[in-house]
Amino acid sequence: NAGVTQTPKFRILKIGQSMTLQCTQDMNHNYMYWYRQDPGMGLKLIYYSVGAGITDKGEVPNGYNVSRSTTEDFPLRLELAAPSQTSVYFCASSYVIQGTGELFFGEGSRLTVL
Amino acid sequence: LAKTTQPISMDSYEGQEVNITCSHNNIATNDYITWYQQFPSQGPRFIIQGYKTKVTNEVASLFIPADRKSSTLSLPRVSLSDTAVYYCLVGESGGYQKVTFGTGTKLQVIP
Repeated sequence: NAGVTQTPKFRILKIGQSMTLQCTQDMNHNYMYWYRQDPGMGLKLIYYSVGAGITDKGEVPNGYNVSRSTTEDFPLRLELAAPSQTSVYFCASSYVIQGTGELFFGEGSRLTVL
Repeated sequence: LAKTTQPISMDSYEGQEVNITCSHNNIATNDYITWYQQFPSQGPRFIIQGYKTKVTNEVASLFIPADRKSSTLSLPRVSLSDTAVYYCLVGESGGYQKVTFGTGTKLQVIP
């Protein structure tokens, strides 16, 4: 039972490079999220999706893009990487039955932009 | 959006009961209260969720007074492995897109 899987776990980028963080879940969850967490801080929502083909911006979307072509996959694209994007990125999913549901997180992807 | 306030940090000795209180004065009628635990270098993990009164599961209890303006997460007999950051979240049914993670409460369990 894999849950939420993120790749890569670590990555170093040069300023101006682009990359995609991959996220896949095998729980058939309808909601998926991307968060970033800076040192000593809470998580900030970048983008979210309520189902395949539907995405929307969160609190800090600038510099990022997402797509949701399938229920399972929710990749996060970083265009023109900047040092301010150095952070740990977490992908999460949830299935809402009652309340806000339970978030299941991946192990995180640590990104450094130099 | 309901704003939450929790202590920045707490210390506790092993074997003690720990209570972490979260204030959410402007909680809305449809909002639920959820607590997450995060260890270093890991994603947060769901602990417990409630709407009113008391909820208990195998790891924690959640106490919510009648006015729902605060909530208390209770961890019985903590061990060193409970050292983590604990987040109190408040949001309505329908997902986490409008829910904010604050900085949480850093719990340090001392031997």
